[in-house]
Amino acid sequence: NAGVMQNPRHLVRRRGQEARLRCSPMKGHSHVYWYRQLPEEGLKFMVYLQKENIIDESGMPKERFSAEFPKEGPSILRIQQVVRGDSAAYFCASSPGGLGNTGELFFGEGSRLTVL
Amino acid sequence: AQSVTQLGSHVSVSEGALVLLRCNYSSSVPPYLFWYVQYPNQGLQLLLKYTSAATLVKGINGFEAEFKKSETSFHLTKPSAHMSDAAEYFCAVSGTGANSKLTFGKGITLSVRP
Repeated sequence: NAGVMQNPRHLVRRRGQEARLRCSPMKGHSHVYWYRQLPEEGLKFMVYLQKENIIDESGMPKERFSAEFPKEGPSILRIQQVVRGDSAAYFCASSPGGLGNTGELFFGEGSRLTVL
Repeated sequence: AQSVTQLGSHVSVSEGALVLLRCNYSSSVPPYLFWYVQYPNQGLQLLLKYTSAATLVKGINGFEAEFKKSETSFHLTKPSAHMSDAAEYFCAVSGTGANSKLTFGKGITLSVRP
């Protein structure tokens, strides 16, 4: 049973370019969460999505960042016009139901974005 | 809103010694509490979780944690450290509602000396 799959694992972009990070949840999971990890800061919640719906985007920066989880295909975290401060590890997690119901998230291995 | 506090950023123990990693939480509602472990360049793996059943929770790799409401704590312990326990450990809290999310502490790096 495949776990949460994230790609690319490593991505290098120059300032001003776009970054697209993809996340395929575990089979049977319809809830996806995105987190960002910066050194010495732990993981910061960004967005929580269900299929075709954004449930909670309270952690998303107001500009340049967007996320989707279409009916078919992986969840996408998109960062437009990247800046050096966007360099971080981005983790996706999934669950079969809401966290409050299932009590556990399953994490991917992360996508590490470096902005030159 | 929920939050967790992990005091200190680094703990070092000798192999075979007791491991104690502290976590205090703040929550206006009964929380779910978690400990996750992260090995270098990997994702997070669940060690154990408290979801309002037994207050003493046993997890993988010999770890356990005790939920103490009076102290708002959920400290992680292991009686005898092993070299393979060296990693970063995160405490996390969530609500119990369907749309809850995990809120993480800053993490503690555990080093194990031979």
